[in-house]
Amino acid sequence: GAGVSQSPSNKVTEKGKDVELRCDPISGHTALYWYRQSLGQGLEFLIYFQGNSAPDKSGLPSDRFSAERTGGSVSTLTIQRTQQEDSAVYLCASSARDRGTEKLFFGSGTQLSVL
Amino acid sequence: SQQGEEDPQALSIQEGENATMNCSYKTSINNLQWYRQNSGRGLVHLILIRSNEREKHSGRLRVTLDTSKKSSSLLITASRAADTASYFCATDGGGNNRLAFGKGNQVVVIP
Repeated sequence: GAGVSQSPSNKVTEKGKDVELRCDPISGHTALYWYRQSLGQGLEFLIYFQGNSAPDKSGLPSDRFSAERTGGSVSTLTIQRTQQEDSAVYLCASSARDRGTEKLFFGSGTQLSVL
Repeated sequence: SQQGEEDPQALSIQEGENATMNCSYKTSINNLQWYRQNSGRGLVHLILIRSNEREKHSGRLRVTLDTSKKSSSLLITASRAADTASYFCATDGGGNNRLAFGKGNQVVVIP
């Protein structure tokens, strides 16, 4: 596609439920990131995928969070047993490494609200 | 922990004035980038400056980088109401694989 696509754009769920957030990166981009942004805050790194390498999961806040990237393209971020503190905007970004630098292209995010 | 840290956090200016915001970081970097975010959703890349560059221009944007002080500044000249947004710096370096973002500057341009 023309840009990074995230779905759903908004998700309201009840505490304790599981949610899945989807990201479609720009075609051909080998790197994919998930970030979380709480209201009025900066971006908190969650996880990074680069090609076929093992993902960098060092930013995942707890074992309730997991992510996968199938076929080097679409990624799904799963949050199990959601808590109210999980409410935030979840942003996905992709990039094509260019001479060792990275310019990220972001999706519009998923606004997650846990009631 | 966040590498980038912008200062000041919030800035309100009149249309036509210049807006300057700063970013400091703690470790060595390969490059530093600035992004803009409107309405709390997706970020848009504005400009990238490499560690061996000191100044870069793009339209009404001017970025400086001082690696000795581990700081960068973003200047928006002749601001417009459409420049109202949050601006984030992000650093690439420090031995990990990701961009580290600062907390952002909220800029409000009053028409």
